[in-house]
Amino acid sequence: NAGVTQTPKFRVLKTGQSMTLLCAQDMNHEYMYWYRQDPGMGLRLIHYSVGEGTTAKGEVPDGYNVSRLKKQNFLLGLESAAPSQTSVYFCASSSRGPGLYEQYFGPGTRLTVT
Amino acid sequence: AQSVTQLGSHVSVSEGALVLLRCNYSSSVPPYLFWYVQYPNQGLQLLLKYTSAATLVKGINGFEAEFKKSETSFHLTKPSAHMSDAAEYFCAVSPRFNQAGTALIFGKGTTLSVSS
Repeated sequence: NAGVTQTPKFRVLKTGQSMTLLCAQDMNHEYMYWYRQDPGMGLRLIHYSVGEGTTAKGEVPDGYNVSRLKKQNFLLGLESAAPSQTSVYFCASSSRGPGLYEQYFGPGTRLTVT
Repeated sequence: AQSVTQLGSHVSVSEGALVLLRCNYSSSVPPYLFWYVQYPNQGLQLLLKYTSAATLVKGINGFEAEFKKSETSFHLTKPSAHMSDAAEYFCAVSPRFNQAGTALIFGKGTTLSVSS
């Protein structure tokens, strides 16, 4: 039981390049989330999904797109990377909505955009 | 809108000393409250959560937090700090009457340093 895994762990992009971050969970959770973590800012929600085939915008969605074609996977895409997207990205999942149910976090992806 | 404030971005204590990390929330209705810990280069791990069953909540690794409605606070404490407690701690809130998909709202975090 691996929990929540993220691929890749590190990445360096040049401005304008694109990439996809992959999140996978093996806990059969319905809800999945993408956060970014910046120094002194805590974690901010980018996008989330309440089930297979559904996605919704969070607090800071601009410049990102997501897809949830399979229940266990949640992909985060950057179509044209910008230096402001340099951050650590965390994926999380929970069995139901976050009010009562614990969110389980992946180990993070450290992205640098030059 | 819900928000959470962590007082002090950095707290330093000696090994064996009391740990006190402060968290205040803003909400007219007491929300669900959480404390997460993040060790260096790792993801977040749940320490404890308040869901209204009891105002004093015990978590993992000897941590506990007390919900005080009158003070809108949910401070995290540990009687005796250990070197392994050095990490970043996040307080988070979720509205009690949660709309579908509303995620956790995190504070900005407090870095705990423990010296020998």
